[in-house]
Formats: sequence, structure tokens, C-alpha cells
Amino acid sequence: ETGVTQTPRHLVMGMTNKKSLKCEQHLGHNAMYWYKQSAKKPLELMFVYNFKEQTENNSVPSRFSPECPNSSHLFLHLHTLQPEDSALYLCASSQTGTGETGELFFGEGSRLTVL
Amino acid sequence: DAKTTQPPSMDCAEGRAANLPCNHSTISGNEYVYWYRQIHSQGPQYIIHGLKNNETNEMASLIITEDRKSSTLILPHATLRDTAVYYCIVETGANNLFFGTGTRLTVIP
Repeated sequence: ETGVTQTPRHLVMGMTNKKSLKCEQHLGHNAMYWYKQSAKKPLELMFVYNFKEQTENNSVPSRFSPECPNSSHLFLHLHTLQPEDSALYLCASSQTGTGETGELFFGEGSRLTVL
Repeated sequence: DAKTTQPPSMDCAEGRAANLPCNHSTISGNEYVYWYRQIHSQGPQYIIHGLKNNETNEMASLIITEDRKSSTLILPHATLRDTAVYYCIVETGANNLFFGTGTRLTVIP
């Protein structure tokens, strides 16, 4: 138990569906992240939020839409996805200090399958 | 944008020290080196990080060369539960941790 909870753990959706992934951290951290991990590929940093403000968008397609309503919650809204978007989506949080990220705490991930 | 090079795989006998190397020859003076590991089907787990000095915690030791162009993660007494993919990461700015392909460590009984 890392203090970062992701739901759902598994999701199957069609290409025309709209769904959302949810992440909640109970650690009082000020930064939250979405990473994508595809089969046999490294983790890809997608989005970073610092104090609820998006500070990083790593060239992610617009069919992925993040939302950070407060520093404890992070969503990833999904619409018109492609089969190649099937992957493990990992949320993480950290207490960022001056000039360094600090320790990232990861959730267990949401495994997404797009049919 | 991974700035690190790691061997794709390594084996280590149970109970022995596991020494995992990482090259980061283009590292800048204020960039930290982080190590994480990922056990199958789980989220990555933080191990240790450092800037210039060697670091030690309850999990591992991090040895950074004086020129900072390489580092070694040392697991002093490897157990079967240490079998995982180990990632060496150079932080390219606060909140920017880009994972590479890592080293798959297999601890052998």
C-alpha cells in the first residue's frame, strides 16, 4: 500500500466509448503524474500537475484529457481511443522540493484494453 | 529522452551483492540520479537517489563516480524478492523523471 489508489484496476472499452481513470493520493503531496506503460516499452511520462497546475504535457494526443480538481485527485479522461492505446496507466505523486522531484509513489495501475 | 545506459539483463546469486551499473555521461551538474525498480505487474518502487555523494539507505547503496558520468546501485544481499527491472534515471528538471528500458535483474537460488 503506497498511499496512491487507482480505479478501476482493469478497463475494457471500445474505440467510441468515453471513460475515465481516477487516481487519489492520501499522502499530502503537491505533485501528481500520469505515466503510460505499453508492452515491452519503457514508462512514458504523460502529464505532470504541480499544485493543481499542469506543468508537463509530453506530446500526448488530445484523446487523453487530464483533470486535476485538487492536489489529492487526478483523472485521465479517455475518448475515441485506438487499440494501440492499450497499456498500463500508472499514477504517481510526490512532494516536490526546490530543484528536485523527490520520491515518486506509484499506484498499482489501471490496465486498459481498447477493442 | 532517457539519458542513461544500462545493461538489459543481469543475474545474481541469492545472498550475494548485486551491482547494477548505469552510464549517464551527459549528466549536468545539478541533475539528480534516481533508481527505481518494478516488480512484475506492479507500479515502480523508489529505491534511492543522489547528486554527488554516495548514498545509503535500508534498501541499497548508490555509488556515483567523481565525474558523475556513471553510477552503481548495490543491493548488499540479494534475495529472490529482489528480482525485478531496475531503472536508472537522470532527472532533467523538477517533476521530470523519464524512465528508460532498465536492467532486468534475476536473483538465482
